[in-house]
Amino acid sequence: DIQMTQSPSSLSASVGDRVTITCRASQSITTYLNWYQQRPGKAPKLLIYAASSLQSGVPSRFSGSGSGTDFTLTISSLQPEDFATYYCQQSYNTPPWTFGQGTKVEIK
Amino acid sequence: EVQLVESGGGLVKPGGSLRLSCAASGFTFYNSWMGWVRQAPGKGLEWVGLIKSKAGGETRDYAAPVQGRFTISRDDSENTLFLQMNSLKTEDTAVYFCSAIVKGTPSNPFFDYWGQGALVTVSS
Repeated sequence: DIQMTQSPSSLSASVGDRVTITCRASQSITTYLNWYQQRPGKAPKLLIYAASSLQSGVPSRFSGSGSGTDFTLTISSLQPEDFATYYCQQSYNTPPWTFGQGTKVEIK
Repeated sequence: EVQLVESGGGLVKPGGSLRLSCAASGFTFYNSWMGWVRQAPGKGLEWVGLIKSKAGGETRDYAAPVQGRFTISRDDSENTLFLQMNSLKTEDTAVYFCSAIVKGTPSNPFFDYWGQGALVTVSS
């Protein structure tokens, strides 16, 4: 199975900061990489699909990049509603479509 | 509006069984691949399984920890997804989310809609 490793596991940031989260796959997944946001007690919400495509309705301060094994989620200017946990997920080829362990973004 | 509503969660003893349902509306259910994702208390997301549409062969895939114990099925006439869970273990305790691939395609799959989750507690 493909393993997904996110870094960091948590970070503290202030409103207005630029935030970058990294996700690494154990083998090439080309661009079959999705990013989700989860607020406490809520269902995950799709932010980015196919590594860099912004889901409809998601603010443009969110962006994704990468291909192969290394991917990045960037929040250009952190807003109060962005404090949440972020997960990457690979959907390459045959399942299982594994998730990263998550990155918790907290208020500094 | 797309809606996914899970039901059937609850408390069950180790070794017991439980069936979750997910009622779907607002999209073409019969044409959509559907999945289950779970989240143990205080932990991250764990992919559980997937069922393709009938056009996709209605094939099923499962994560290794549930293979042979869990079964995913669908009733396209009722727009409902099911997760039959047998031989439950304490480590299966989690919130189980139903998820749908609506905008995504078989060549570019992603879960773009999620239910609110159903809590399953396995304890004696």
